[in-house]
Amino acid sequence: AQTVTQSQPEMSVQEAETVTLSCTYDTSENNYYLFWYKQPPSRQMILVIRQEAYKQQNATENRFSVNFQKAAKSFSLKISDSQLGDTAMYFCAFSTNAGKSTFGDGTTLTVKP
Amino acid sequence: ETGVTQTPRHLVMGMTNKKSLKCEQHLGHNAMYWYKQSAKKPLELMFVYNFKEQTENNSVPSRFSPECPNSSHLFLHLHTLQPEDSALYLCASSQGRGNTEAFFGQGTRLTVV
Repeated sequence: AQTVTQSQPEMSVQEAETVTLSCTYDTSENNYYLFWYKQPPSRQMILVIRQEAYKQQNATENRFSVNFQKAAKSFSLKISDSQLGDTAMYFCAFSTNAGKSTFGDGTTLTVKP
Repeated sequence: ETGVTQTPRHLVMGMTNKKSLKCEQHLGHNAMYWYKQSAKKPLELMFVYNFKEQTENNSVPSRFSPECPNSSHLFLHLHTLQPEDSALYLCASSQGRGNTEAFFGQGTRLTVV
């Protein structure tokens, strides 16, 4: 069975600064996929970024990037130049090759003006 | 908008009532999911359907009854619920493969009185 752990229930960051959200996972699989999702207050959950485990290069999407450490089973999300609109709950998720997903408990991020 | 629509957005029901939640997607996805989101457990998978067949039931009480008449529609029938069932119920869909993300609806905020 897969487990996903987000050890920071809540975090805050000043606008324009950088913040890193941590995520660790446990699996015996070799091929899998990792995702970060964002759920803004009262809005739909959307994908932020994804990483294929077979790729060594860390994924980036504009101000969002990941630090994927396969051996350590770590998948942190870095948000650069934080904006007020980044305030949301962030979920780390793991997916097997067959599509079975496991989500972490989430980290609530508040960006302060 | 993610392409996944849930109705109603809000629902208040008594413990003896019977109601249904509806989820609809026209993204051509093969898999649909029901999640429960509450303060106690931020994201809890309830049911998974692949090609209209239920492939996962995470020990959900029988007072929750899912129905998937086709790949585009998913229902959650509710009867004799308890106050602790009050939560946000999220529907999601995906291609059903590991490398594809889930698309979430806005959720139904359920209150059981």
